Amino acid sequence: DTAVSQTPKYLVTQMGNDKSIKCEQNLGHDTMYWYKQDSKKFLKIMFSYNNKELIINETVPNRFSPKSPDKAHLNLHINSLELGDSAVYFCASSQDRTGVVSYNEQFFGPGTRLTVL
Amino acid sequence: QKEVEQDPGPLSVPEGAIVSLNCTYSNSAFQYFMWYRQYSRKGPELLMYTYSSGNKEDGRFTAQVDKSSKYISLFIRDSQPSDSATYLCAMNPPGSWGKLQFGAGTQVVVTP
Repeated sequence: DTAVSQTPKYLVTQMGNDKSIKCEQNLGHDTMYWYKQDSKKFLKIMFSYNNKELIINETVPNRFSPKSPDKAHLNLHINSLELGDSAVYFCASSQDRTGVVSYNEQFFGPGTRLTVL
Repeated sequence: QKEVEQDPGPLSVPEGAIVSLNCTYSNSAFQYFMWYRQYSRKGPELLMYTYSSGNKEDGRFTAQVDKSSKYISLFIRDSQPSDSATYLCAMNPPGSWGKLQFGAGTQVVVTP
């Protein structure tokens, strides 16, 4: 199936731990994103990579570090987890290749539901 | 104040009714306007997009953009229980590298 996939789907962990979420897309897209969706469903962009280059880096604690080993993969590592990090994290990808973005259909993964206890 | 405002609902309607959703925004540079649909415990999926002002129709769905009022709408005709989902508006200006600004999403419940 062509899609954006994420692992794990659920992640329950203790405060202070370090965890990673992995994302893969087989759509041949050049750009990938990480979003955080809080309990009120508000979806906020965190990072974006275009061809392994970081192009969007929003105001996010530096405990969050994205890594893109190739353009089909984007991982998110979170150090020293805090209660406020509990949320659903979505990976997405899109076809954009230049800085002149037009219509931008982003394809989302199923999400990783992170619960910090 | 958020750049994109959207009433979170929930909005409950009987099957067959017209669902009316809207968002307001403050950034006049926004040119591309999208509606995403998100089913419970799933990722959002693009439903419709519109460039600049005007209307766009796709089956039972109509998207409208009024740039002069900074107001966008989505109408769902003949609503079905399968339309029950959260609808998120999203928008971005040119040259923004896909940096979409999302509304908070409106939860819609269509009852049989």
